Amino acid sequence: RKEVEQDPGPFNVPEGATVAFNCTYSNSASQSFFWYRQDCRKEPKLLMSVYSSGNEDGRFTAQLNRASQYISLLIRDSKLSDSATYLCVVNTGRRALTFGSGTRLQVQP
Amino acid sequence: ETGVTQTPRHLVMGMTNKKSLKCEQHLGHNAMYWYKQSAKKPLELMFVYNFKEQTENNSVPSRFSPECPNSSHLFLHLHTLQPEDSALYLCASSRQGPPGTIYFGEGSWLTVV
Repeated sequence: RKEVEQDPGPFNVPEGATVAFNCTYSNSASQSFFWYRQDCRKEPKLLMSVYSSGNEDGRFTAQLNRASQYISLLIRDSKLSDSATYLCVVNTGRRALTFGSGTRLQVQP
Repeated sequence: ETGVTQTPRHLVMGMTNKKSLKCEQHLGHNAMYWYKQSAKKPLELMFVYNFKEQTENNSVPSRFSPECPNSSHLFLHLHTLQPEDSALYLCASSRQGPPGTIYFGEGSWLTVV
C-alpha cells in the first residue's frame, strides 16, 4: 500500500465551480500534513498546511481526519489560474516529507 | 525568485559520462534534500542531509553520489547512468529535519541517452 494515496484525476471543472480533492495516508503516526501545488514543468510550492481543526485560506479549505487518516482540499470559485497538480504531503516521522502522486486539476473557461 | 537555485536546468548525458548537479540555498536552512520526479510517479526521496551529515539514503543506486560540503550547498554526482534515470531532479531545503515546510529549487531536467 502506498504511504500517501491520491486520485490522479484529471478533474475538469468550469470556472466558478467548487472542487474537492481527497488523500489518504497509511502511517497513523504521521505528524504533519500539507498541500503543495505544482504547475506544469515547475517545482512544487507550498499551498497550505493542514491542521487538525481544519483551516481556510481564501478560497481554499483543508481538512484533516486523523481517525480515518484522510485529508481533503476544497477549492471554491475555481479560477483558470488554479489549474495545476495538487500534491498531498505527509510527514510520516521519517527525516523527509512523503509526497502523493498528485491530483491534476484543469479549470475550463 | 526561488531561494533554492539549481544548475544546470537541463542536462543531456550519455551513459558513460560523468556529470554533476548543483544546488545552493540562500535561506539559512540546515537540511537539504534530493528528490527524483519521473513521469506519472510521485516524488521519490533520494537523500537527506542535516547539518552537512547524510541522514537518509533511500536505497539509491551507487551511480548517484551526493556531496554536501556545507549547509548551503548540495551536489549530486552522476556516472554511468541508465536511460530510466531520465527525470526531473529536485533539490529542496528546510530549516531542519524532520521538516515542516520544505522549499524546492526549479529542478534539473536530466536526459540520459
